[in-house]
Amino acid sequence: AQSVSQHNHHVILSEAASLELGCNYSYGGTVNLFWYVQYPGQHLQLLLKYFSGDPLVKGIKGFEAEFIKSKFSFNLRKPSVQWSDTAEYFCAVIAGGGADGLTFGKGTHLIIQP
Amino acid sequence: DSGVTQTPKHLITATGQRVTLRCSPRSGDLSVYWYQQSLDQGLQFLIQYYNGEERAKGNILERFSAQQFPDLHSELNLSSLELGDSALYFCASSALDSSGNTIYFGEGSWLTVV
Repeated sequence: AQSVSQHNHHVILSEAASLELGCNYSYGGTVNLFWYVQYPGQHLQLLLKYFSGDPLVKGIKGFEAEFIKSKFSFNLRKPSVQWSDTAEYFCAVIAGGGADGLTFGKGTHLIIQP
Repeated sequence: DSGVTQTPKHLITATGQRVTLRCSPRSGDLSVYWYQQSLDQGLQFLIQYYNGEERAKGNILERFSAQQFPDLHSELNLSSLELGDSALYFCASSALDSSGNTIYFGEGSWLTVV
């Protein structure tokens, strides 16, 4: 079965700092990759997704992620964070035919200090 | 608004009781997924239904069951409830099967077992 590892459980940054959240998955075949965000008290919202094609994908709110197949990674980036980016960020993967559903990492709690 | 509707939003019940959580997928979506989110376990995939049939099974307890009805809405039944079942239960849907499709999440049902 696939698994997802997010390296940072808690990240604290100042406004305008650059962000990179690490995500690695374990599965040797075809994968669909996602980043979801969960703002305090709200549901999961899709930030961006990778199915195929250009490994650099752009999402909403200025976020982007790069799929590096050789490293089994799908890191999330944003050049300049805002206070409103404070949230929980989840990396997720669907492997192969999706028999195991969407598997999530443990999440990264991001706090942006004004 | 993702288009996925869950009821009830909040539920408090006693140990040993049984509850039913309801989910209406986005219009036209055939797949429904159930996830459990708790502080210690993170986001756990429970089960997926596709057009009325069970498609994939995750970490779902035997005390829990689900079904998808002909109108594509789904119910998650939780019985013999224990304190540890207190969690946020998310329903999600996608157009077809999980692979190659984006999964959209509802706002969740908060279950508190006392």
